[in-house]
Amino acid sequence: DTGVSQDPRHKITKRGQNVTFRCDPISEHNRLYWYRQTLGQGPEFLTYFQNEAQLEKSRLLSDRFSAERPKGSFSTLEIQRTEQGDSAMYLCASSSTDTGSDTQYFGPGTRLTVL
Amino acid sequence: GNSVTQMEGPVTLSEEAFLTINCTYTATGYPSLFWYVQYPGEGLQLLLKATKADDKGSNKGFEATYRKETTSFHLEKGSVQVSDSAVYFCALSDRTGTASKLTFGTGTRLQVTL
Repeated sequence: DTGVSQDPRHKITKRGQNVTFRCDPISEHNRLYWYRQTLGQGPEFLTYFQNEAQLEKSRLLSDRFSAERPKGSFSTLEIQRTEQGDSAMYLCASSSTDTGSDTQYFGPGTRLTVL
Repeated sequence: GNSVTQMEGPVTLSEEAFLTINCTYTATGYPSLFWYVQYPGEGLQLLLKATKADDKGSNKGFEATYRKETTSFHLEKGSVQVSDSAVYFCALSDRTGTASKLTFGTGTRLQVTL
């Protein structure tokens, strides 16, 4: 069990550019979550997948954001036409409904800086 | 809606002091409650959890009791160490929807000095 991994760990981009982040969950975890954390705040829920289906999206997830989990394993989060307000830490978490506890385990995050 | 309120930090303590970080919540239904810890430069790690009223979660000398009557889940440790310096997040998991998405507090920074 290697834990949740995220790539890249840091991304610096210019306003207006598109960025894509990847999350690899703990193997065989069927649920995958994306959160966003800004400086001095707790993480805020963005969206979640059960297997390959995206079942819920937060109002924080504007039309410029899209997430996929095509084969029910890894997931990508894309931000189009980035804005300075998108600068944040993007966190991925995974969990398994099979255990009955649904406890979420987090990755190290991708820190995005939009210049 | 759901919300979590934590005491503001930073909290500065001397090594071996007693720690309490207050956490209260507002939720519909019967949430599970969690404490996560974020060490400098690292991701969120689950510290402990409790899934129903009067449950006590414990790990690494930390403990917290799910108090439904006061809607609280205060984190305590009898004797802190310098290595406990981190940011601590209280969170709840609302199981009334389709997913157990977490609602977090704003975090409390703990600094332990020699």
